[in-house]
Amino acid sequence: NAGVTQTPKFQVLKTGQSMTLQCAQDMNHEYMSWYRQDPGMGLRLIHYSVGAGITDQGEVPNGYNVSRSTTEDFPLRLLSAAPSQTSVYFCASSYEGTRGYTFGSGTRLTVV
Amino acid sequence: RKEVEQDPGPFNVPEGATVAFNCTYSNSASQSFFWYRQDCRKEPKLLMSVYSSGNEDGRFTAQLNRASQYISLLIRDSKLSDSATYLCVSTTSGTYKYIFGTGTRLKVLA
Repeated sequence: NAGVTQTPKFQVLKTGQSMTLQCAQDMNHEYMSWYRQDPGMGLRLIHYSVGAGITDQGEVPNGYNVSRSTTEDFPLRLLSAAPSQTSVYFCASSYEGTRGYTFGSGTRLTVV
Repeated sequence: RKEVEQDPGPFNVPEGATVAFNCTYSNSASQSFFWYRQDCRKEPKLLMSVYSSGNEDGRFTAQLNRASQYISLLIRDSKLSDSATYLCVSTTSGTYKYIFGTGTRLKVLA
């Protein structure tokens, strides 16, 4: 099993560009989430999903979109990148929400 | 006020010492709690769940105090390899939105 796979691992964007961070899991997990991690702020929930076709907002959803068309994939879209979105992004999945999430290795995004 | 709060540390302890971290949560509806470990520039990894009755996994013991709304992590016989940041997490029933604390940094010194 690959677990939770995130691509790309590193990305540099110019302000105003859009991009999609990919996240895939092969564990048949229903629950998936996106977090961003910034120094001094900890991990903050952006969006999460409890199954295909179901998504909801977390603490910091502005500037990001998600969709969940399959159980396996949960892409995160940056609509118009801003320097404030420079961060490390983690995708995570869980079979059942009370058993803890498994995290991907992260995407380090820099917006210049 | 953050929903989950931790002392950022760092806690510098000698090898073999016992160290304890606390984490407070403000949402009384929080149902499930976890401790995660995060090494520098790596993803968080689940260390243990926290049960109402307390639970132990080797050198690690987790406790939950609902009345005072805090969870704790005790590490006995600290190893150099325990050096990491420890994140506490709470989640409310039915939402599975995990809210993380900012983490407590532990350095175990030789």
